[in-house]
Amino acid sequence: NAGVMQNPRHLVRRRGQEARLRCSPMKGHSHVYWYRQLPEEGLKFMVYLQKENIIDESGMPKERFSAEFPKEGPSILRIQQVVRGDSAAYFCASSTTGVASGNTIYFGEGSWLTVV
Amino acid sequence: DAKTTQPPSMDCAEGRAANLPCNHSTISGNEYVYWYRQIHSQGPQYIIHGLKNNETNEMASLIITEDRKSSTLILPHATLRDTAVYYCIVRVAGTGANSKLTFGKGITLSVRP
Repeated sequence: NAGVMQNPRHLVRRRGQEARLRCSPMKGHSHVYWYRQLPEEGLKFMVYLQKENIIDESGMPKERFSAEFPKEGPSILRIQQVVRGDSAAYFCASSTTGVASGNTIYFGEGSWLTVV
Repeated sequence: DAKTTQPPSMDCAEGRAANLPCNHSTISGNEYVYWYRQIHSQGPQYIIHGLKNNETNEMASLIITEDRKSSTLILPHATLRDTAVYYCIVRVAGTGANSKLTFGKGITLSVRP
């Protein structure tokens, strides 16, 4: 069973360009979370999505950032008009819908965005 | 805000048990205790979780006090590859809006040769 797959692993963008980060959850998982980790800082929650729905976007910056998890295909985190402060590691995680025994959230290896 | 407190760092000799403490005095009855770790430049790795009872898997053991206000993660035979930041997180299970993981600063475990 493949884990959470993220691509690209490394992405370089010039200021003002768009960055698209993709996340394929583990097989059977229909819930996706995105986190950001700035250099030398902690992991910060950004957004939580279910297929075709945003459940919680309380951690998303109000501008330039958007996320989707369509019925078919991977979840996408989109950053428009990137700035140097967007340089960070972006981690995706997924889980099942089960509650019994506490469903576990599994993380991918991250996408490293560098804005030059 | 994280609902747990952990010491900022600790070290351990290779081959010895590493006991990582965590306080979660405001834990609710439906919240689980989860442990993750993050090795430098890698994604967070799930270790173990529990509700009331002690738990053990191939990676670690989790000891939760009877009042559930604190817990200890035990790595029975630490290796150099266990050097990482370890996060103790309380979380409501399931998929509601409160089910996300909220990371604090964690505890940096350094395993020395």
